[in-house]
Amino acid sequence: KQEVTQIPAALSVPEGENLVLNCSFTDSAIYNLQWFRQDPGKGLTSLLLIQSSQREQTSGRLNASLDKSSGRSTLYIAASQPGDSATYLCAVSSGDSNYQLIWGAGTKLIIKP
Amino acid sequence: GAGVSQSPSNKVTEKGKDVELRCDPISGHTALYWYRQSLGQGLEFLIYFQGNSAPDKSGLPSDRFSAERTGGSVSTLTIQRTQQEDSAVYLCASSFVGITEAFFGQGTRLTVV
Repeated sequence: KQEVTQIPAALSVPEGENLVLNCSFTDSAIYNLQWFRQDPGKGLTSLLLIQSSQREQTSGRLNASLDKSSGRSTLYIAASQPGDSATYLCAVSSGDSNYQLIWGAGTKLIIKP
Repeated sequence: GAGVSQSPSNKVTEKGKDVELRCDPISGHTALYWYRQSLGQGLEFLIYFQGNSAPDKSGLPSDRFSAERTGGSVSTLTIQRTQQEDSAVYLCASSFVGITEAFFGQGTRLTVV
């Protein structure tokens, strides 16, 4: 059974710093991995999607990497801003039910001005 | 529409009453998902629709929960005889096919009192 873990559960850093959020999964047979952000009281916003054949994806200040063999993904945020404060979730699509996203519990990120 | 639309955004109901939650997916998306997010918990898969195929209902927590998708577009999640443990944010997502990028609505916050 696929399990997704995100470390740390919470992170607080000063504005301007570069930071890395971690996501690990137990079954390397995934179809893809997605990173989302969730703002309080709002839905989820898709940030990056990495297909199983890809190693990384970039969007603006965000870079997500994928290492299937080790069951890990990282989300790198460059030059963090207060507006980046949110909960970041990773989810994998894998196994027999390839459309079911299996979710991590999220990392709550606070960027201090 | 431009994004996934869910209604209502908030719903307070008395224990034992039935509720209906609505999801209007992105036009052209054939896949539609319902998830539930309880306070402080990760997302829990409920049900998946793909085109005209039979839906995957394996995530529905009890027979009080049901969902339908009319005309391959709008979906309604119905909870009968609501219980306090049904209180959660119910999130709907859609995508072109089952394993591509999923886009989420803002969610419906259900509170059962």
